Amino acid sequence: SQELEQSPQSLIVQEGKNLTINCTSSKTLYGLYWYKQKYGEGLIFLMMLQKGGEEKSHEKITAKLDEKKQQSSLHITASQPSHAGIYLCGADIPGSQGNLIFGKGTKLSVKP
Amino acid sequence: GAGVSQTPSNKVTEKGKYVELRCDPISGHTALYWYRQSLGQGPEFLIYFQGTGAADDSGLPNDRFFAVRPEGSVSTLKIQRTERGDSAVYLCASSPAPGQSNYGYTFGSGTRLTVV
Repeated sequence: SQELEQSPQSLIVQEGKNLTINCTSSKTLYGLYWYKQKYGEGLIFLMMLQKGGEEKSHEKITAKLDEKKQQSSLHITASQPSHAGIYLCGADIPGSQGNLIFGKGTKLSVKP
Repeated sequence: GAGVSQTPSNKVTEKGKYVELRCDPISGHTALYWYRQSLGQGPEFLIYFQGTGAADDSGLPNDRFFAVRPEGSVSTLKIQRTERGDSAVYLCASSPAPGQSNYGYTFGSGTRLTVV
């Protein structure tokens, strides 16, 4: 079965610093989703990547999928306290009807 | 509605009791998913509905768990004889159609279930 491993598990950065979160899959990724979750809230969709080498950006967040489609990274530039939360990567399960598997998440804290 | 609505937001129940968790998806979304998220873990798939039928229930942990979607919109997740291990956040998501969604799956805020 496919597994997603996220690193690091947690991260504390000073406001204004850049950071990167990684998501590695045990199998080829056919659809990779990044979500953000705050305590007591649902998952907020950030970006979805499908093609090897694909890169998408939204405001100060950039997500990339490597050429081999087994690793994705999420990069935040000039972090702000509003970026704090848990970042989850999720992947389509081949042959399923949209069921996703998720990594365990990366908890990001941004110190003002 | 504007988003996926889940009720109640919090539920505390005694071990052995029966609970129902409700999910109201975005209007017009035919695909509906239930996930369970334990502390420190990512969400785990439970069951998926396409319309009124459960197209994939392979994630339900045992026969104490059951879900319905009788009219193809609102869904109810039912848990019988609750156990302390059932304590988790239960998340519901919907999408316009099954399969890959370029706009992601819209998740509700979840129901935090605590079994004491």
